[in-house]
Amino acid sequence: NAGVMQNPRHLVRRRGQEARLRCSPMKGHSHVYWYRQLPEEGLKFMVYLQKENIIDESGMPKERFSAEFPKEGPSILRIQQVVRGDSAAYFCASTEGRAYEQYFGPGTRLTVT
Amino acid sequence: AQRVTQPEKLLSVFKGAPVELKCNYSYSGSPELFWYVQYSRQRLQLLLRHISRESIKGFTADLNKGETSFHLKKPFAQEEDSAMYYCALSGGGYSTLTFGKGTMLLVSP
Repeated sequence: NAGVMQNPRHLVRRRGQEARLRCSPMKGHSHVYWYRQLPEEGLKFMVYLQKENIIDESGMPKERFSAEFPKEGPSILRIQQVVRGDSAAYFCASTEGRAYEQYFGPGTRLTVT
Repeated sequence: AQRVTQPEKLLSVFKGAPVELKCNYSYSGSPELFWYVQYSRQRLQLLLRHISRESIKGFTADLNKGETSFHLKKPFAQEEDSAMYYCALSGGGYSTLTFGKGTMLLVSP
């Protein structure tokens, strides 16, 4: 079991472009969480998904951000029309169910130029 | 609203010295508290949770509901303890985690 995989590890986008971040959960895990870590900040919860369902998106910015976890394939965090303030490390974590038993991926570092 | 506060960005100690990483929380119900650790170039991982009352790698943490604290302690720090430590809170079950900003622990020889 390779653990939670995230790709790409580093992503550079110009302002106005779209960013797609992928997260493959651990085998057997059907729950995925996305977090954002801004410089000098802790991890901030963004969204919690189960297969084909968004359970809690209370931490997602209202505009430009969306997430999905299809029946097949990885979970995708999509940021449209990126701005400099979106530059951050984005982590995903997966679990079989209980929130504290999250296994974290290595993160994707997004840089917006 | 739930909140986790880690007042120290950086804690620097010498090997063999006692360590206490502070964590205070704000939550209206009965929270579950956790410590996560991220060693250099490794992923964030669960270190311990208050419910299990266990000692992991010599670290312990006691939930003090009166002071709303969950400080992480170790009597004798080791160089390999150098890492980023995050305190986190959950409402239990399937509730999401709220993380503090983290404390970097540096243990010098």
